[in-house]
Amino acid sequence: DTGVSQDPRHKITKRGQNVTFRCDPISEHNRLYWYRQTLGQGPEFLTYFQNEAQLEKSRLLSDRFSAERPKGSFSTLEIQRTEQGDSAMYLCASSPGLGGHNEQFFGPGTRLTVL
Amino acid sequence: AQKVTQAQTEISVVEKEDVTLDCVYETRDTTYYLFWYKQPPSGELVFLIRRNSFDEQNEISGRYSWNFQKSTSSFNFTITASQVVDSAVYFCALSEDTGRRALTFGSGTRLQVQP
Repeated sequence: DTGVSQDPRHKITKRGQNVTFRCDPISEHNRLYWYRQTLGQGPEFLTYFQNEAQLEKSRLLSDRFSAERPKGSFSTLEIQRTEQGDSAMYLCASSPGLGGHNEQFFGPGTRLTVL
Repeated sequence: AQKVTQAQTEISVVEKEDVTLDCVYETRDTTYYLFWYKQPPSGELVFLIRRNSFDEQNEISGRYSWNFQKSTSSFNFTITASQVVDSAVYFCALSEDTGRRALTFGSGTRLQVQP
């Protein structure tokens, strides 16, 4: 397995446009997390999935954000009507989710720039 | 609420020096996990270590060692004989043992190792 992958790696868009990011977790990891990281800060939790169920969303996730994991494998994060404040690195992580081992393995991230 | 504090914003050392990165955490949970991640200039977060709150044994892995002290809520990370390749941002993180198990990150410490 090659680890967590994310696509695209970079996205530049104009304010008001919609964008969608994809995350492919490590196979057989049933938990998938989305985080957002701004410059000079640590990542902040946005939302997570247990298999295909989205179990929690952070208050950071406004109504313009939506995430899906339709078959419990890959996930997408969509931002509608982007704003300049959405510019950040969006990180995806997966973990086995069962038992006592909850280390999360991160993808390379998608860097979003909203002009 | 959980909180992780990394008071050292940036540290600069000369190669072969030892360096310790501090991490102080706050949580009301009795069972939790602590982590260290490395974020090199490429941007991908690399998992270094996970420590269960019941296990206060220090751990050594090559040039890396970790000192977990529950009494002071600290989980410090020491690099012995630092190398230029150690230059990166290092994040300490905390998660609960149940529920979402999302990571709460500190703001990171940027380590610069000069040749």
